[in-house]
Amino acid sequence: QQKVQQSPESLTVSEGAMASLNCTFSDGTSNNFRWYRQHSAKGLEVLVSIFSDGEKEEGRFTAHLNRANLHVSLHIREPQPSDSAVYLCAATNAYKVIFGKGTHLHVLP
Amino acid sequence: ETAVFQTPNYHVTQVGNEVSFNCKQTLGHDTMYWYKQDSKKLLKIMFSYNNKQLIVNETVPRRFSPQSSDKAHLNLRIKSVEPEDSAVYLCASSLDWGGGQDTQYFGPGTRLLVL
Repeated sequence: QQKVQQSPESLTVSEGAMASLNCTFSDGTSNNFRWYRQHSAKGLEVLVSIFSDGEKEEGRFTAHLNRANLHVSLHIREPQPSDSAVYLCAATNAYKVIFGKGTHLHVLP
Repeated sequence: ETAVFQTPNYHVTQVGNEVSFNCKQTLGHDTMYWYKQDSKKLLKIMFSYNNKQLIVNETVPRRFSPQSSDKAHLNLRIKSVEPEDSAVYLCASSLDWGGGQDTQYFGPGTRLLVL
């Protein structure tokens, strides 16, 4: 079964500095990838969906997919303290969505 | 803007009791899901329903049973809860099953604590 690993587990950045999160998956069976954000005690908010190799930008959030390296990343431009949350990577194949364990992002003012 | 609604927000109960969680989506989606999120934030799919029909049933204990009255509602019943059932239960919906192409929209979750 597809496995999704996220790194780092925790990341602290200063307000305005680029934040970069990583996600690796175990095989090439997934056909699309998404990044979600979860604020404490709240549901998940979808940030970016990406289906093809390359980049996909949604506002300050940019996902980069490299299937050959089994890797998808998320870059957050000019992060704000309100971006502090858990960021979850999800890989989807025909029947399942597999989530990583998340990266805790802390943005310091 | 919330379009996937879950009740209750929190529920505390004792081992052996039965609990029921409700989920409603107002997005007009055909597919709904239940996920379990453990204390380490790991999300795992439990069930998927498409147009009131069960399409995915992961290996979950038999005490868990989904209930769908129409495609906008998907409830989750747990008979005889156990301590390891303590978690956040997240409901989600997507436009269609579509091989997972459609984005899933999540509710705020129901936090269950089993004493």
